[in-house]
Amino acid sequence: SQTIHQWPATLVQPVGSPLSLECTVEGTSNPNLYWYRQAAGRGLQLLFYSVGIGQISSEVPQNLSASRPQDRQFILSSKKLLLSDSGFYLCAWEAGYTNTGELFFGEGSRLTVL
Amino acid sequence: KQEVTQIPAALSVPEGENLVLNCSFTDSAIYNLQWFRQDPGKGLTSLLLIQSSQREQTSGRLNASLDKSSGRSTLYIAASQPGDSATYLCAVDRAGGTSYGKLTFGQGTILTVHP
Repeated sequence: SQTIHQWPATLVQPVGSPLSLECTVEGTSNPNLYWYRQAAGRGLQLLFYSVGIGQISSEVPQNLSASRPQDRQFILSSKKLLLSDSGFYLCAWEAGYTNTGELFFGEGSRLTVL
Repeated sequence: KQEVTQIPAALSVPEGENLVLNCSFTDSAIYNLQWFRQDPGKGLTSLLLIQSSQREQTSGRLNASLDKSSGRSTLYIAASQPGDSATYLCAVDRAGGTSYGKLTFGQGTILTVHP
């Protein structure tokens, strides 16, 4: 069966510090991968998605970037965090070959920027 | 721009009741609609996926319907239990393009089932 892991689960960082959130998927090959953010009062918003290694699409302009160095690894980064980057970051995968579009989410990483 | 609205925002019911959660979307050009459950501080758990060509899906005590032309979906929960307490999120996937999973979410319905 497929599983998705995110870490760290919780992170408290000062403004201006760097960020790296990692997501890995097991039990599937060539998944489509996604980063969503859930901010208080704003609902869930798609940040980045990737259909393959090195292929990243950004949905909203922001202080963050994403990378996919391996087939089942998706990383969310920032060089300098802003207060507005605080939120709950969720990684998700979708098995593109099934064409159902069903998304499966990880447990999330809660980021607090102080 | 797609907008998804969920009604009610919060719902509190006694155990055993049947209940309906509502979701509406403004653009009927969707690929599919998913219902998720989110427990406090946790990730999302997929409950049901309805393709745009389908009318409903069932899983255990859950039944979701889709009326794409009117931009509506309902999630029916039968014989509610305290363990059903969670936030329920509706999300639609835009049609077209070369990939899926670009979901637009509603704000959710917070469900509390009390014993």
